[in-house]
Amino acid sequence: GEDVEQSLFLSVREGDSSVINCTYTDSSSTYLYWYKQEPGAGLQLLTYIFSNMDMKQDQRLTVLLNKKDKHLSLRIADTQTGDSAIYFCAESGGTGSYQLTFGKGTKLSVIP
Amino acid sequence: NAGVTQTPKFRILKIGQSMTLQCAQDMNHNYMYWYRQDPGMGLKLIYYSVGAGITDKGEVPNGYNVSRSTTEYFPLRLELAAPSQTSVYFCASSSETHTEAFFGQGTRLTVV
Repeated sequence: GEDVEQSLFLSVREGDSSVINCTYTDSSSTYLYWYKQEPGAGLQLLTYIFSNMDMKQDQRLTVLLNKKDKHLSLRIADTQTGDSAIYFCAESGGTGSYQLTFGKGTKLSVIP
Repeated sequence: NAGVTQTPKFRILKIGQSMTLQCAQDMNHNYMYWYRQDPGMGLKLIYYSVGAGITDKGEVPNGYNVSRSTTEYFPLRLELAAPSQTSVYFCASSSETHTEAFFGQGTRLTVV
């Protein structure tokens, strides 16, 4: 079945860039997403990328997609303490439906 | 718009009890989903619905039931609660194109 893998933890200093990586196995994935979850809260969509794109930029966020290697990354420029959260990579469309398959999440800790 | 509203936010159940987790959305989305999130894990799909009157099993449906009599509501039923169902439950909805899924704030359920 489909699988999405992420590293579990990332620690960066305030003001540095953060890069969170994700790999997926389903080559027919249509959309790839990054969600943010703050403690005790639901998931908030940060950004998504369509599978025929290789880059998408949205303010401090840059998403890179290497479809050949099935690798997705999220770069957060000028990381702030408010960026501390769990970041989930997800994919959809691979099975012809609209279900999301999530990774386990990367906990980003920002050191002041 | 309130988005996706889940009730209750917290609940403690005894083994063998039953309960219904409520979910409502006011965005007229056809697609609705129930996920569970276990500690340190990504979200797993329990059930989903592509429209009123249509439901289907996700990855982990055992021990749960759903109904979708209207577009707005998608309740999740636990008939005989078990400790393995201790988790945080998220309801979500999306439009036809599924470029964004909106999540509720979650229901934290503990079965003792």
